[in-house]
Amino acid sequence: GAGVSQSPRYKVAKRGQDVALRCDPISGHVSLFWYQQALGQGPEFLTYFQNEAQLDKSGLPSDRFFAERPEGSVSTLKIQRTQQEDSAVYLCASSPLEGSNTGELFFGEGSRLTVL
Amino acid sequence: SQKIEQNSEALNIQEGKTATLTCNYTNYSPAYLQWYRQDPGRGPVFLLLIRENEKEKRKERLKVTFDTTLKQSLFHITASQPADSATYLCALDANQAGTALIFGKGTTLSVSS
Repeated sequence: GAGVSQSPRYKVAKRGQDVALRCDPISGHVSLFWYQQALGQGPEFLTYFQNEAQLDKSGLPSDRFFAERPEGSVSTLKIQRTQQEDSAVYLCASSPLEGSNTGELFFGEGSRLTVL
Repeated sequence: SQKIEQNSEALNIQEGKTATLTCNYTNYSPAYLQWYRQDPGRGPVFLLLIRENEKEKRKERLKVTFDTTLKQSLFHITASQPADSATYLCALDANQAGTALIFGKGTTLSVSS
């Protein structure tokens, strides 16, 4: 497809389960960002990749959150031992340029995680 | 502490009027500021980017200003239409490397016919 693709679109997990969320960025895009968006809030930055290198992970809320992009294209956000406060929409965005300061980010539709 | 504030959570205006949304920030020195539109259940969509050395930028019915002294950006939609109803997010770079784009909470605009 032409846009950023995220899967699954919806995920329900029981508290304590591990989840993995996938992001397929636009082909050839160098930069990839993950955001967490709680209901009624703006997206909160989690982490940034430039190709396969994770250059910024300052937004990851705890060591239960882990992201990877091993070949510089598809990325996976993993949340271990999920808790109710992890319930949110997880957004992935990509850009053909390095960083966010030279142009727009292209967002996917998000993965909505509900932790029971 | 660092903060981005958008003036109000909700703004209701009549069709044809100009909508003005405000984004204020503290303890950041952004090199640029971006505005996005987000519809319910969708990801944000880029609208405009304005750099610190640009006072104003326009795109069709949209206009953005950036005042680094006031630490404020204004986003205007002229001749508003019901189709403009959405949440509008401002975002700025948290560091010069551009590795973290930080968003405000958003303002939900409703345009009534």
